[in-house]
Amino acid sequence: DAGVTQSPTHLIKTRGQHVTLRCSPISGHKSVSWYQQVLGQGPQFIFQYYEKEERGRGNFPDRFSARQFPNYSSELNVNALLLGDSALYLCASSVGLAIGNEQFFGPGTRLTVL
Amino acid sequence: KQEVTQIPAALSVPEGENLVLNCSFTDSAIYNLQWFRQDPGKGLTSLLLIQSSQREQTSGRLNASLDKSSGRSTLYIAASQPGDSATYLCAAQTGANNLFFGTGTRLTVIP
Repeated sequence: DAGVTQSPTHLIKTRGQHVTLRCSPISGHKSVSWYQQVLGQGPQFIFQYYEKEERGRGNFPDRFSARQFPNYSSELNVNALLLGDSALYLCASSVGLAIGNEQFFGPGTRLTVL
Repeated sequence: KQEVTQIPAALSVPEGENLVLNCSFTDSAIYNLQWFRQDPGKGLTSLLLIQSSQREQTSGRLNASLDKSSGRSTLYIAASQPGDSATYLCAAQTGANNLFFGTGTRLTVIP
């Protein structure tokens, strides 16, 4: 069974551009969360989606947005890129919203903003 | 706001040694505590999940303990191997599925 998949693997953009990152959860998982991991730091929570609705949002500016599709895959969009947005973006899936659900992470998308 | 701290930031040990990684959290109202492994530039691999009602979990050479009242968790690795070299992250879940991560301990096992 495939794990969480993310695309693309690497991405290079320039300041001011827009980027879209994609995530496919484990089959049967309905919840997807996004995290940003800056070099040398632990991941920070950005969004959680469940059944196509936003269920949680971290402390990130409105330039960050996301959505979830009927097949439970998800996109993370970042507008007006800044140098500080350079990071590894991780997607995690879980079965549902039940408290204590284990989260499974994908390999991440490495975004470099020049 | 939940804050998670991991000590030490880096650790270097000879092969075969037993070792302990530490994780502390400020809000004891957690639902679970999860330990992950991260290889350079890669995603996270889940190692152990301890529910708030549990005291410890074991998987092979790994044992994780949880003391909610003191806000601490430890990851014990027995008979370390060079393949164990990686960054180890702990994460506390305090929301529906919102994980708060520490900054990790970078482990190097010397052959």
